[in-house]
Amino acid sequence: NAGVTQTPKFRILKIGQSMTLQCTQDMNHNYMYWYRQDPGMGLKLIYYSVGAGITDKGEVPNGYNVSRSTTEDFPLRLELAAPSQTSVYFCASSSAGQGIYEQYFGPGTRLTVT
Amino acid sequence: QQQVKQSPQSLIVQKGGISIINCAYENTAFDYFPWYQQFPGKGPALLIAIRPDVSEKKEGRFTISFNKSAKQFSLHIMDSQPGDSATYFCAASSQTGANNLFFGTGTRLTVIP
Repeated sequence: NAGVTQTPKFRILKIGQSMTLQCTQDMNHNYMYWYRQDPGMGLKLIYYSVGAGITDKGEVPNGYNVSRSTTEDFPLRLELAAPSQTSVYFCASSSAGQGIYEQYFGPGTRLTVT
Repeated sequence: QQQVKQSPQSLIVQKGGISIINCAYENTAFDYFPWYQQFPGKGPALLIAIRPDVSEKKEGRFTISFNKSAKQFSLHIMDSQPGDSATYFCAASSQTGANNLFFGTGTRLTVIP
């Protein structure tokens, strides 16, 4: 199993550009998440999904959109990139079930907006 | 508002020493408290986790101590090794949610030989 994979690894965007961060998991997990990590701030939840076709906002959703058309994929869309979106983005997945909490993280995408 | 508060921000320990990282939370609905370890350039990985029905959990050199009444929990790394040098995050979640994790701000641990 590859686990959680993310592409690209690095990206530089100009202000106002848009892009999609890709996330795929091969563990048949129902739950998927997008976090951003900023220095000294820990990880903040952007959006999450409890299954295909179902998404919901996390702590910091402004400026982002998501979709979940399949169990495996959970892309994160940035529209009109702003310098405040410079961050490292992590995708994670988790199995749904009683008492199953562990989240598996991808390697991250480092995004710079200039 | 930071739902989980973590300290210290950074920690330097001699090889063989004990590393201690502390976290506190306010939301009494939290019922799962994991610690994640992150190496530079990598995603976080689960290290150890505890439920509030026990006060301590030990896995090898890593121990979580949990104080439900004080709403605090801590990670102890015994016999710290240079390979333990990483950033450690505490987190909390509630079974009533979609396993959404609320993370602390992280502790950068450096173990010097």
